[in-house]
Amino acid sequence: GEDVEQSLFLSVREGDSSVINCTYTDSSSTYLYWYKQEPGAGLQLLTYIFSNMDMKQDQRLTVLLNKKDKHLSLRIADTQTGDSAIYFCAEGSSAGNMLTFGGGTRLMVKP
Amino acid sequence: DAGVIQSPRHEVTEMGQEVTLRCKLISGHNSLFWYRQTMMRGLELLIYFNNNVPIDDSGMPEDRFSAKMPNASFSTLKIQPSEPRDSAVYFCASSYSGANVLTFGAGSRLTVL
Repeated sequence: GEDVEQSLFLSVREGDSSVINCTYTDSSSTYLYWYKQEPGAGLQLLTYIFSNMDMKQDQRLTVLLNKKDKHLSLRIADTQTGDSAIYFCAEGSSAGNMLTFGGGTRLMVKP
Repeated sequence: DAGVIQSPRHEVTEMGQEVTLRCKLISGHNSLFWYRQTMMRGLELLIYFNNNVPIDDSGMPEDRFSAKMPNASFSTLKIQPSEPRDSAVYFCASSYSGANVLTFGAGSRLTVL
């Protein structure tokens, strides 16, 4: 079955860049997503990328996709304390709306 | 739109009691997902509906769990009888089947004593 893996934890200093990595196994993935979860809240969609793209930029966020290696990354430029949260990678196929989520990476931003 | 609305936000109950969690979809969405989040197991998909029909319930832990969509905009997840190991945050998410983007509710935190 599908599997999505992420590292558990990342700590950066305010103003630095953060890079959160994700690997997935389903070669039929059509869409790959990054969601953010703040304490006590639901998951909020940050951005997503089609599998035929290799990069997407949205303000401070840059998503890189290496489809050959099944590797997805999220780069947050100029990381702020408000970026502290859990970030979930997810993959979905065109077969339906079911997403497979990774275990989440907890990002801690130190002032 | 107010987004996906879940209730209650918090519930504390005793083992053996029935628990009902509720979810209101975003208007126009036709797919509904129930997830459970725990520290140990992360985010698990319990069940998925499309156009009010359950499509995949393979994640439902056991017969104590049941989910329904009595209409196109509302769903319930029922646990009867509840057990301490059911303690978790339960999320509902909805989407429009052509959009491939899930919108999550704020979650219902369940504690079973």
